Amino acid sequence: NAGVTQTPKFRVLKTGQSMTLLCAQDMNHEYMYWYRQDPGMGLRLIHYSVGEGTTAKGEVPDGYNVSRLKKQNFLLGLESAAPSQTSVYFCASRRIPGQANSPLHFGNGTRLTVT
Amino acid sequence: LAKTTQPISMDSYEGQEVNITCSHNNIATNDYITWYQQFPSQGPRFIIQGYKTKVTNEVASLFIPADRKSSTLSLPRVSLSDTAVYYCLVGASYNTDKLIFGTGTRLQVFP
Repeated sequence: NAGVTQTPKFRVLKTGQSMTLLCAQDMNHEYMYWYRQDPGMGLRLIHYSVGEGTTAKGEVPDGYNVSRLKKQNFLLGLESAAPSQTSVYFCASRRIPGQANSPLHFGNGTRLTVT
Repeated sequence: LAKTTQPISMDSYEGQEVNITCSHNNIATNDYITWYQQFPSQGPRFIIQGYKTKVTNEVASLFIPADRKSSTLSLPRVSLSDTAVYYCLVGASYNTDKLIFGTGTRLQVFP
């Protein structure tokens, strides 16, 4: 049981390049989230999904797209990377809310640098 | 959405008890209160969760007053390894899909 796995762990992009971050969870969780964390700052919600085939915008969705084609995977795409998107990206998942003890389970992050 | 407010930072010494308070004035009836710990270069990890009164596990205690507008995370006898950022998160009810973190509290433990 690996939990939440993020790939890649590190990536360097040039301005204007595109890439996709992959998040995979093996806990059969319904909800999945993408956060970004800038140096010395807190977590900001980019997009989230409440089930397969659904996505919704978070606090800072501009410049990102997401897809949830399979329940276990949540993809985060950057179509045209900008230096302002340099950050650490965390994926998280959880069971259906409304049940006690349904906390978020986080991956170890993807460190992205855009030059 | 229930917004949370925490102190930006706290300092402590090894062996002391640390209490971190989180304010969440507009918490919804079905919302749970969850605390997370984050070390540098790692994702946050779950510490403790509660709905009302007091919850205790092997790591911490969580105190929630009757009006539930605040909560206090208590770390008994901290060590250097407890130096981390602690986040309070309110949600996990049926009508709370978005989970938005506050700024967190940066705890520094000194020897």
